Amino acid sequence: EVQLVESGGGLVQPGRSLRLSCAASGFIVDDYAMHWVRQAPGKGLEWVSGISWNSGSIGYADSVKGRFTISRDNAKNSLYLQMNSLRAEDTALYYCAKGSHYDILTGYCNYWGQGTLVTVSS
Amino acid sequence: EIVLTQSPGTLSLSPGERATLSCRASQSVSSSYLAWYQQKPGQAPRLLMYGASSRATGIPDRFSGSGSGTDFTLTISRLEPEDFAVYHCQQYGSSPITFGQGTRLEIK
Repeated sequence: EVQLVESGGGLVQPGRSLRLSCAASGFIVDDYAMHWVRQAPGKGLEWVSGISWNSGSIGYADSVKGRFTISRDNAKNSLYLQMNSLRAEDTALYYCAKGSHYDILTGYCNYWGQGTLVTVSS
Repeated sequence: EIVLTQSPGTLSLSPGERATLSCRASQSVSSSYLAWYQQKPGQAPRLLMYGASSRATGIPDRFSGSGSGTDFTLTISRLEPEDFAVYHCQQYGSSPITFGQGTRLEIK
């Protein structure tokens, strides 16, 4: 059974940093791209970032480019999102999602975690 | 960036009725790399359709998807009580990946 468990969310002041983690199990992590998708309270889904199976291809939404960094450690079956210079508009539930293919593009998100809440406020 | 516009914003129907949800792209979605997700309150999104018209594993055949280029449709042939939820479309063929704003399907 595929499982994705996010952690690391919390309340943080504007301008500070936070690192999210996603622990994956139930599939061969090395074979698939992984994504972070967020959802602000009462809003729709926003793709944040994706990383290919071997970290060779990485993409970001314009809204986070230069502030967020995605990474993965296949040996630890883990995905990460380093979030710097956080803003109030980054407040959201952050989901980890498994890609259906090895690359970021051409693959949809076929499994999702339950999310970790990030609140940016002073 | 490909902007996806979903309509209507809210759709009010009764169980047993047919639902038609639209997703329009600002430019052509390459190779029909278009997915639909269902999201219920307090839950993560669930994959319904991919490749515009392929059902994900375990999705009932009352759900169908169609379209190509810039116009895509999700149809639910006969609504069941558990189908009332928010539906999101997503294009995954061009960077950045983008989602529509969602359609809320509510019980009339």
